[in-house]
Amino acid sequence: DAGITQSPRHKVTETGTPVTLRCHQTENHRYMYWYRQDPGHGLRLIHYSYGVKDTDKGEVSDGYSVSRSKTEDFLLTLESATSSQTSVYFCAIREGGQGDATGELFFGEGSRLTVL
Amino acid sequence: GESVGLHLPTLSVQEGDNSIINCAYSNSASDYFIWYKQESGKGPQFIIDIRSNMDKRQGQRVTVLLNKTVKHLSLQIAATQPGDSAVYFCASGTYKYIFGTGTRLKVLA
Repeated sequence: DAGITQSPRHKVTETGTPVTLRCHQTENHRYMYWYRQDPGHGLRLIHYSYGVKDTDKGEVSDGYSVSRSKTEDFLLTLESATSSQTSVYFCAIREGGQGDATGELFFGEGSRLTVL
Repeated sequence: GESVGLHLPTLSVQEGDNSIINCAYSNSASDYFIWYKQESGKGPQFIIDIRSNMDKRQGQRVTVLLNKTVKHLSLQIAATQPGDSAVYFCASGTYKYIFGTGTRLKVLA
C-alpha cells in the first residue's frame, strides 16, 4: 500500500468553525491532491499541489484553502465550515517529475467530516 | 466545462459472466484515462490506465477499450467474481483528473 495517512479519519464540527485535514505521505511524491466525495457526484477535485508551496485550484475550491510547506504534508483547511462541506475527503498522491502530467493516483482511506 | 460520465449507476452481473462498464468523456483533447475500483469504506484503488495513442489495453482479467471517435471508454471484467463487487470510476485528464460519478457493480451468486 502507498504510504498515505489522512488525519483525522472522522470529525464532527459545528458550522462556522475552522477545520484542517492533514495528508501525510512517506513516498516523497511530487503531486498531491484533495478530493471530496458525495453521493451522486463521484470524486471532485478541490485543490492539488505540484510541489512544495505550489498549488492550484480544482473544480470545487471555493471555501477551501491548502498549504504544502514540505513534501510529505498537504493540508486542507476549511476556514469557516458549512453544512454543504459535509463530505468524505480523500487525499491522493502521484509519482512524477516536474512536467509529468499523468500517472496513477494512490488514494488514502478518507476523512469523513460532518458539519452540524 | 469538461465532464466524465458513466452510463449506468448500477450494473448487476451473474458470477462467472463478463462485465462491461461504460464511460463517456467530453474533452476530445483528453490524453489519459484511468479506471478505479472503490469498495465500501475504502479509498479508490487503481485498476488500469490507457493513453490516447492506444485503443486497447489488457491487465489481469480486465481490458480497457478506448474509442476516441465517439469519446467513449469501457472496462471489461472477465469471469466476474464476488470480490469484484464495488463502485467503478473512470477518470480522465492531465494533472487534474476529472472523475465520473461511478457505476456500482453487483455480482449475483
